[in-house]
This record gives sequence, C-alpha cells and structure tokens, in this order.
Amino acid sequence: KNEVEQSPQNLTAQEGEFITINCSYSVGISALHWLQQHPGGGIVSLFMLSSGKKKHGRLIATINIQEKHSSLHITASHPRDSAVYICAVLTQGGSEKLVFGKGMKLTVNP
Amino acid sequence: AAGVIQSPRHLIKEKRETATLKCYPIPRHDTVYWYQQGPGQDPQFLISFYEKMQSDKGSIPDRFSAQQFSDYHSELNMSSLELGDSALYFCASSIRQRTDTQYFGPGTRLTVL
Repeated sequence: KNEVEQSPQNLTAQEGEFITINCSYSVGISALHWLQQHPGGGIVSLFMLSSGKKKHGRLIATINIQEKHSSLHITASHPRDSAVYICAVLTQGGSEKLVFGKGMKLTVNP
Repeated sequence: AAGVIQSPRHLIKEKRETATLKCYPIPRHDTVYWYQQGPGQDPQFLISFYEKMQSDKGSIPDRFSAQQFSDYHSELNMSSLELGDSALYFCASSIRQRTDTQYFGPGTRLTVL
C-alpha cells in the first residue's frame, strides 16, 4: 500500500465547477504539500500545510491531522487549471523525506 | 524572483552513454534535492546535498553520482544509461535543509534510446 493515496486518479470537469481532490496518508508527517504539474513537467508548489486551512485565490487546502487526510478545493474551475495535482508529505523523524502521491490528472473543459 | 534553473531541459542519449544534468538553486539556497519521475509514475527521491555534503540518499542507482559545488549548484552524473532511465529529473532547493519548503525546478526530460 502506498504511503500517500490520492483520489480520484483522473477527473474531467466543466468550466465553473467546484472541484475537490483528496489525499490520505498512512505515515506520521510534519507537513503536507499540494503541488501542481503542468504538461512538460514543471512543478509548482501551491500550498504547504501542517494544520488547518489555507486559501490562495480560487484554491483552498485543508488538512485533518487526526484523520490523516487533506483536500484541495478549486472553486470556479477554469481550463487553465488543467494539470496534474500531486500531494506530497514530509515524513517525520530523523531523515525527513518528501513522499509523493501518484497525482490526479484534472481536465477542465470550456 | 529567481527560480531554480535546470539544464538542459531536454536530453536524448543512447544506451550505455553518459549524461550530466545540472541544477542551479535559488540564490542563497544551500540545499539541493534530486528527484526522478518515470512516465506515469510519482516522483522518487534520489539524493540531497547540504553545504556541499551529501545529506540524504534515496533510491539512486549505483550508476548515478551527484555532487554539489562551492556555488551550490549541483550536477547529477548518470553513466551506462539504460532505457529505464528515461524520465523527468527535477531538482528542488531550500535553505538550511528546510525540507518542508522546497522550490522545484522545471525538470530535465531525459530520453534514452
């Protein structure tokens, strides 16, 4: 079983829809990242969370440490939001590592 | 603001050849991380450096080596390339091993024919 699981794996939405991407993890973490990867490979860090909720523009990220779960919400989705969204957790302990989920491919149609 | 720079952005090599990928961290960042992302795969941590010393090692093959130089840029050297080495290699940088705040580069796409 992967340490970081994302769902769904693929999602197609219509422009304007509200989108939720989920991430569950099974290890102790000190932080969780939501990353965006566009075709061509470049990765952009959207949020880094260790508790609660963060908002940036149309994006909202939440984390529940007790339930080991995080969600990324996109409001009023737009075709330019089409990308792969990756959840990555920073493991606790002496050797901190980023462990990545497999990502969720989002396609927003006009 | 300056970001992480990787070169080249694309590289095509034959089997058994060698390749060198370069990563230039954000100014004043002293820690560099290397990741490998195979087609359709999630990124895997390879190796990291802090202040020119290896700080952590992941699933890096013995055929690969890396180092960090005095200007903090890092190079990933890959020898005896195999078809399975075809992947996106990206690096990230941070300050003082702040693993939680990594800034990612655009990646180098290596294709081994």
